[in-house]
Amino acid sequence: EPEVTQTPSHQVTQMGQEVILRCVPISNHLYFYWYRQILGQKVEFLVSFYNNEISEKSEIFDDQFSVERPDGSNFTLKIRSTKLEDSAMYFCASRTDPYGYTFGSGTRLTVV
Amino acid sequence: DAKTTQPPSMDCAEGRAANLPCNHSTISGNEYVYWYRQIHSQGPQYIIHGLKNNETNEMASLIITEDRKSSTLILPHATLRDTAVYYCRAPQREADGLTFGKGTHLIIQP
Repeated sequence: EPEVTQTPSHQVTQMGQEVILRCVPISNHLYFYWYRQILGQKVEFLVSFYNNEISEKSEIFDDQFSVERPDGSNFTLKIRSTKLEDSAMYFCASRTDPYGYTFGSGTRLTVV
Repeated sequence: DAKTTQPPSMDCAEGRAANLPCNHSTISGNEYVYWYRQIHSQGPQYIIHGLKNNETNEMASLIITEDRKSSTLILPHATLRDTAVYYCRAPQREADGLTFGKGTHLIIQP
């Protein structure tokens, strides 16, 4: 069964450093997403990406965040200058109509 | 999105059918009903979706009432691995970012 692949599974970074989280969505999917889940809290939407541009973003997705689909297969989330409160599980997802989302297994980001 | 209401928690014995209800009384004619679940520490997982007709796949069955105001997700032979939080949603557009409410915490008892 096709999968969404995320790397790395766990990343530790120092406060103020830039991080890039990587995702390989399912190849024939058209919509791509990033979500995050702070420990013990709900899954929160960050951003959706369609047709090579951001289609929707939440209030969480401020200027510190950016997304890219550099080569037609990878989909990345960059956090420019990490803060302690960015520590969370980050999930990538993709989908195609009319089906539901397929989520990756996540990257646990720890900011120290 | 149509507002959805689910019980906060349910128990079910292993091997029995787990029936999870969802109320979506404000659903409009073209809004699908989607079900997801999140097993502890894992990414959310799509289960099934439907519009009007009942649907079945390898994971579950979805029963939608004729007036579409409520639905029931059925896990026919629940196992311990089905313990998870189950989310029902009826979005205006599934392409929009998912909003996860509180869902139903289903606990399968041995």
